[in-house]
Amino acid sequence: DIQMTQSPSSLSASVGDRVTITCRASQSISSYLNWYQQKPGKAPKLLIYAASSLQSGVPSRFSGSGSGTDFTLTISSLQPEDFATYYCQQSYSTLGTFGPGTKVDIK
Amino acid sequence: QVQLQESGPGLVKPSETLSLTCTVSGGSISSYYWSWIRQPPGKGLEWIGYIYYSGSTNYNPSLKSRVTISVDTSKNQFSLKLSSVTAADTAVYYCARSERGRITIFGVVIGAFDIWGQGTMVTVSS
Repeated sequence: DIQMTQSPSSLSASVGDRVTITCRASQSISSYLNWYQQKPGKAPKLLIYAASSLQSGVPSRFSGSGSGTDFTLTISSLQPEDFATYYCQQSYSTLGTFGPGTKVDIK
Repeated sequence: QVQLQESGPGLVKPSETLSLTCTVSGGSISSYYWSWIRQPPGKGLEWIGYIYYSGSTNYNPSLKSRVTISVDTSKNQFSLKLSSVTAADTAVYYCARSERGRITIFGVVIGAFDIWGQGTMVTVSS
C-alpha cells in the first residue's frame, strides 16, 4: 500500500501569510495527487487535482505543485475562510489513501 | 448541480449490519464512480469502496470481507452495507463522486472526489 505523510501536522498563521503544506508518498505516484480542505462539521472540498490543476470555483490563491513522491499545497495569502484542515490523497493506486491532515489555525 | 445526500440509521448495535443510502440529485448516476468514505471522530479519512453505475465494485482490502456496495440506477441511488460492526466503525460516513482515473492490472483507479455528500454520523453502541 502507498503511505501518505504530511508536514507539518499543524501550523499557526496570520491573515495574509503565505502558507505551504507538504505531502510525501511512500513511492512514486506521478502526478496522481489531490488536495482537499475540510472545515469542522463539513465534508471535505476538492481544491487541487492531478497535483496542480485548480478545481472549478476554487480561489487562485490556492496552488499545487510536485510530482513523483513530493508535493506541496500553497496558499499565497491566507484568508479568514482558509482556516481549516487540509488533506492530500493519492489516486495512483486502487486504494486511494489520504494523508493524515494538516490543521491550519489562527496565530 | 449534482448533490449527494446520505441517509440511514444513526445508531447501530455491535455485531449488526450498518446500512446507508446515498441519493444523487441534479444529475445522472451514469458514467461516474461512486464511493463511500468514512471519518472516525477527530481522525482522518478512510476510503471504503466504490461502485460504477454498471455495478462493478472495488473495496478497501481492510474492509472487503464486511463491505457490500450496490447501485440502483432507477432510483439514482447507491448503498453501503457493512456487517459485523464494532465500536471501531463509529464514524461520519460520506458518499462522493469520482471520474475514472488510470487503469491498472488491478482494476480501475478512480480520480479525485469532486462532489461529496454532507455526511452522516453513525454510532455503534448497544
